[in-house]
Amino acid sequence: EVQLVESGGGLVQPGGSLRLSCSASGFTFSSSAMHWVRQAPGKGLQYLSAISSDGYSTYHADSVKGRFTVSRDNSKDTLYLQMNSLRPEDAAVYFCVKGMAILTGPLYSWGQGTLVTVSS
Amino acid sequence: AIQMTQSPSSLSASVGDRVTITCRASHGIGNDLSWYQQKPGKAPKLLIHAASSLQSGVPSRFSGSGSGTDFIFTISSLQPEDFATYYCLQDYNFPRMFGQGTKVEIK
Repeated sequence: EVQLVESGGGLVQPGGSLRLSCSASGFTFSSSAMHWVRQAPGKGLQYLSAISSDGYSTYHADSVKGRFTVSRDNSKDTLYLQMNSLRPEDAAVYFCVKGMAILTGPLYSWGQGTLVTVSS
Repeated sequence: AIQMTQSPSSLSASVGDRVTITCRASHGIGNDLSWYQQKPGKAPKLLIHAASSLQSGVPSRFSGSGSGTDFIFTISSLQPEDFATYYCLQDYNFPRMFGQGTKVEIK
């Protein structure tokens, strides 16, 4: 069974940084592209970032480009999202998602999410 | 960027009703579209991929159709556990865009 467990969320001041982690199990992590999607309170889903199975190709939405960086450690079956220069509008639940072998395609399995609050 | 327009934003229906949600892409995306169900406080769940392929374990009352720019998601007979918010997502290219969501409520 695919399991994705996010951690690292919490309260941070505007301008601060957080690193989210996603621990994966139940599948061959190094064979899957991985994604981050977020959801602000009471709002819809926003696609953020993607990383190829080997980690060499990445994508970031314009809203986070230059501030957020997706990475992975295939030796640890772990996905990361480094978030810098956080803004109040970045407050959301952040979901780690397993995709296909390629960067595009559907989002197959989702973690339970981790809450990020940005406030002074 | 390919924009996704999903409608309606909400609907009220009764158990046993047939429910239809549409998603329109601003440019053709072939059949690269997926549908997700999200219940309050829970992570989204993949229901349909490649526009019409039912994900393993998903009940057959859920279906999808369409290609190019116009897509339809259908629940043939609404069940109590189906009251949730549904989203489409274009799987064609970046930037990836979700539809705005459709909240299915009890009439």
